[in-house]
Amino acid sequence: EDQVTQSPEALRLQEGESSSLNCSYTVSGLRGLFWYRQDPGKGPEFLFTLYSAGEEKEKERLKATLTKKESFLHITAPKPEDSATYLCAVNKIIFGKGTRLHILP
Amino acid sequence: DSGVTQTPKHLITATGQRVTLRCSPRSGDLSVYWYQQSLDQGLQFLIQYYNGEERAKGNILERFSAQQFPDLHSELNLSSLELGDSALYFCASSVSLAGANTGELFFGEGSRLTVL
Repeated sequence: EDQVTQSPEALRLQEGESSSLNCSYTVSGLRGLFWYRQDPGKGPEFLFTLYSAGEEKEKERLKATLTKKESFLHITAPKPEDSATYLCAVNKIIFGKGTRLHILP
Repeated sequence: DSGVTQTPKHLITATGQRVTLRCSPRSGDLSVYWYQQSLDQGLQFLIQYYNGEERAKGNILERFSAQQFPDLHSELNLSSLELGDSALYFCASSVSLAGANTGELFFGEGSRLTVL
């Protein structure tokens, strides 16, 4: 059974304090690993797609990486506006429960 | 704005009732996906339609059904509602080839269902 596990469940950081979010997955055949950002009361918003181990993508303060068993979302020098829940999904439809990120000013 | 429209935004109803949630996908997107999001379960995939045909089924209860119409809008019908059905229901659309799970999803703002 395809499965996605995200850790930690919640993370509080000071503004400027870099960290990483983890997404571990088990899937019979990976056809894409997706990262989304979700603000309270809103629908998830697409961030990145990764297709093969070793692939990396960057957008502003975010960088996503992929191995054969997990993906990391690295956040560098975060700002309060980066506070959100970050969701990981595999093969488009299987989502993890997310990591709630809170950046303190 | 993702371009995906969901109505209603909020809905309060009683146990045993039936409701219909509506979704209009982004212009040009043929695939529509329905998800249920609750605090403890996260985003749970319910069902996918592609160009009017059911393409994939997730953890959708028998009390729930969906369809996609010729104009590509979709409706999710929830019947014999229970307290546990209270959740956010999201619709998403994507440009995808039939049967392929590649490409990102564009989500609507969701419909918040409260069952009392």
